[in-house]
Amino acid sequence: QKEVEQNSGPLSVPEGAIASLNCTYSDRGSQSFFWYRQYSGKSPELIMSIYSNGDKEDGRFTAQLNKASQYVSLLIRDSQPSDSATYLCAVKSTGGFKTIFGAGTRLFVKA
Amino acid sequence: ETGVTQTPRHLVMGMTNKKSLKCEQHLGHNAMYWYKQSAKKPLELMFVYSLEERVENNSVPSRFSPECPNSSHLFLHLHTLQPEDSALYLCASSQDLTASGEKLFFGSGTQLSVL
Repeated sequence: QKEVEQNSGPLSVPEGAIASLNCTYSDRGSQSFFWYRQYSGKSPELIMSIYSNGDKEDGRFTAQLNKASQYVSLLIRDSQPSDSATYLCAVKSTGGFKTIFGAGTRLFVKA
Repeated sequence: ETGVTQTPRHLVMGMTNKKSLKCEQHLGHNAMYWYKQSAKKPLELMFVYSLEERVENNSVPSRFSPECPNSSHLFLHLHTLQPEDSALYLCASSQDLTASGEKLFFGSGTQLSVL
């Protein structure tokens, strides 16, 4: 069974701190990795994608990928209360059409 | 309108009712999806369509019946549902079905309650 696992949280960080969200996946054939943010009562929206080992930065967000360890992470610098949401990790295999999601990590940023 | 639009936003139905969920994408995408989201569970892929052809039926009960009349529209017909089918139903689209790195664009979802 191909799975994506995340700590459900909640993860609570103070405003201005770095939030670190982690994800592991079981399918070694996974080639594309995504982080979606879902506010309460809303639909998921893509915030980051990463395809190669290493770091990818976009504003306050940094995605990190380690394929050897089958590990993906998302760092949010200078966390803001507006970052409070559930963050979904998702992976996709080359040539496949299924995007497999984790159950999500709830993040609370305290003002 | 832009993006992916879903109607209705909320739906309450009895177990003997028949209803339909509608999804429309305005992005020119070729693939459309139905996902089910239950509390504290991962999104579950239900159906995938590529250029109006169903390519995945993920062991979904027959009380859920999808329809894709064209590449911009997707329906989910519901009949004789069970209370455990209460969930958020999300429609999504992507540019292409098989290319790696395809990003999903989600509609706002239909919150379904089955009484």
